[in-house]
Amino acid sequence: GDSVTQMEGPVTLSEEAFLTINCTYTATGYPSLFWYVQYPGEGLQLLLKATKADDKGSNKGFEATYRKETTSFHLEKGSVQVSDSAVYFCALSGRAAGNKLTFGGGTRVLVKP
Amino acid sequence: GAVVSQHPSWVICKSGTSVKIECRSLDFQATTMFWYRQFPKQSLMLMATSNEGSKATYEQGVEKDKFLINHASLTLSTLTVTSAHPEDSSFYICSAGPPTSGANVLTFGAGSRLTVL
Repeated sequence: GDSVTQMEGPVTLSEEAFLTINCTYTATGYPSLFWYVQYPGEGLQLLLKATKADDKGSNKGFEATYRKETTSFHLEKGSVQVSDSAVYFCALSGRAAGNKLTFGGGTRVLVKP
Repeated sequence: GAVVSQHPSWVICKSGTSVKIECRSLDFQATTMFWYRQFPKQSLMLMATSNEGSKATYEQGVEKDKFLINHASLTLSTLTVTSAHPEDSSFYICSAGPPTSGANVLTFGAGSRLTVL
């Protein structure tokens, strides 16, 4: 079945540091890929998405590129802020799965001033 | 934008009692809603797909008699944890998306934390 693997946290960074969260997936066909963010005490919010190979999703300074050859969708941000402290989830939705999402384990990011 | 509301956000109950959690789509109609369970420091596990006007579809390993799902209207789905036990303590999250938004554009509720004593 479909699965998503992302790096375990927590990841602790200083403000303005570069952030990378690795995400790889296993799925049949060509799934859509997502990054969701969960701020403390809040629900999940869609951060960005990509629906086909080589697509780049971007939002709020975050970027991720759909790499079919490496089955990866790594999340990057060039300069993090304290407000980026949250848990980040990589997820996929297979074409046969309708709107069902398969999530990775989540990566907690803590940005210190 | 689309808003999904869950209630209650926090509930504590005694072992053996039942607890109902509501999930509402506030500004759109949702024929399908999804219920997830999130264990501490772990990812979200899809429990079931709630279908308006029909029976829910449960994922493998989820007890349908323990977790009753009702989707009686296009804006409301409920999850009832029956005869709750401490191992049912968890964070329950629902999600839904407007039918016209296209595939995979889901809005998540803020979640409901259940603690069973």
